[in-house]
Amino acid sequence: DGGITQSPKYLFRKEGQNVTLSCEQNLNHDAMYWYRQDPGQGLRLIYYSQIVNDFQKGDIAEGYSVSREKKESFPLTVTSAQKNPTAFYLCASSENYGYTFGSGTRLTVV
Amino acid sequence: EDKVVQSPLSLVVHEGDTVTLNCSYEVTNFRSLLWYKQEKKAPTFLFMLTSSGIEKKSGRLSSILDKKELFSILNITATQTGDSAVYLCAVEEAAGNKLTFGGGTRVLVKP
Repeated sequence: DGGITQSPKYLFRKEGQNVTLSCEQNLNHDAMYWYRQDPGQGLRLIYYSQIVNDFQKGDIAEGYSVSREKKESFPLTVTSAQKNPTAFYLCASSENYGYTFGSGTRLTVV
Repeated sequence: EDKVVQSPLSLVVHEGDTVTLNCSYEVTNFRSLLWYKQEKKAPTFLFMLTSSGIEKKSGRLSSILDKKELFSILNITATQTGDSAVYLCAVEEAAGNKLTFGGGTRVLVKP
């Protein structure tokens, strides 16, 4: 079955540590995205990539970094520079019309 | 800056009621407007609207787009407890495939 796999589902980290969230897709989609969702709020775009080896900042990129070395993979690193990293992170991919979302990673920083 | 505003923020209804959710937008190069339902984790796709005035329907849900007034509505008739969710509206730009989401409307349907 084609889809997007995000791992892990739940992640706990100490303040000041970098952490990398995984996103893998087997849909052969060119475009991939990372969104952040805080309680009671909509999705906000962190980074997106329309093609391998290229990515752009979204609306809230500060404190995050990404890479797109392979078409199927778009990992997100939450760095210690991100002031409030505790949130629900959603990865998505798209091809022309239609978006597919992963099931998300809930990151809690203690 | 692209902007998508949903209203109301939340609402509580009883089973059988009809709800109408609103989504207004300001986007430089509009391509499409999408509605999603989010229950616990990933949003699930409901509708994609590209043309004004054409109603899209799926069971008890329907949606319509007004590109002149820059808004869309999502209607749910004969609501059921399973309709309880956050409903997200998103607008896609013509360039870049980028989605801008609204803040969502939380719907709670009581038995």
